Amino acid sequence: AQTVTQSQPEMSVQEAETVTLSCTYDTSESNYYLFWYKQPPSRQMILVIRQEAYKQQNATENRFSVNFQKAAKSFSLKISDSQLGDTAMYFCAFGEDSGSRLTFGEGTQLTVNP
Amino acid sequence: GAGVSQTPSNKVTEKGKYVELRCDPISGHTALYWYRQSLGQGPEFLIYFQGTGAADDSGLPNDRFFAVRPEGSVSTLKIQRTERGDSAVYLCASSLDRVTDTQYFGPGTRLTVL
Repeated sequence: AQTVTQSQPEMSVQEAETVTLSCTYDTSESNYYLFWYKQPPSRQMILVIRQEAYKQQNATENRFSVNFQKAAKSFSLKISDSQLGDTAMYFCAFGEDSGSRLTFGEGTQLTVNP
Repeated sequence: GAGVSQTPSNKVTEKGKYVELRCDPISGHTALYWYRQSLGQGPEFLIYFQGTGAADDSGLPNDRFFAVRPEGSVSTLKIQRTERGDSAVYLCASSLDRVTDTQYFGPGTRLTVL
């Protein structure tokens, strides 16, 4: 079974600074996808960024980028120029190409301080 | 266009009662998923529909839980003889076709069993 581990239950950062959230996963599959979702207090899970395992280039979406290390099974999220609206729970998730579900980590609560 | 919607937003029930939770996916999305999120945890997979059929129901915790999607659009998660341990946020998501297409989540239903 696949597992996803987020080792940082809580993190904080000052507004405008950069923060990196860690995620590691375990799988024997070769074709899979990785995601970061954001969940603010409203409960709505919002996709932040996705990465296909077959792509060597790290995904980027505006202020959000990933560091995908396939051999190390690591998938960290970097948030640049942090904004107050980035305050939320962040979940790392894994999906197999042939699978039927996303497997989520336990989340990292990020607080951006003014 | 409209996102995934879920009703009710909150449901309070008594132990032993029957509840139904509804999910309206994004129009045109053939894949639909139910997840359960306990307090302080990441979502856990319950069931995956492809069209009208349950392609994977291995995440359902026991036979008190059942889900249907009779016309390949709206889905209902049904819980019989509710227990206090069923209290959680129930999230629904849909994706265009495959599980590795981006899953878009609804706002969830918070179920409280007294």
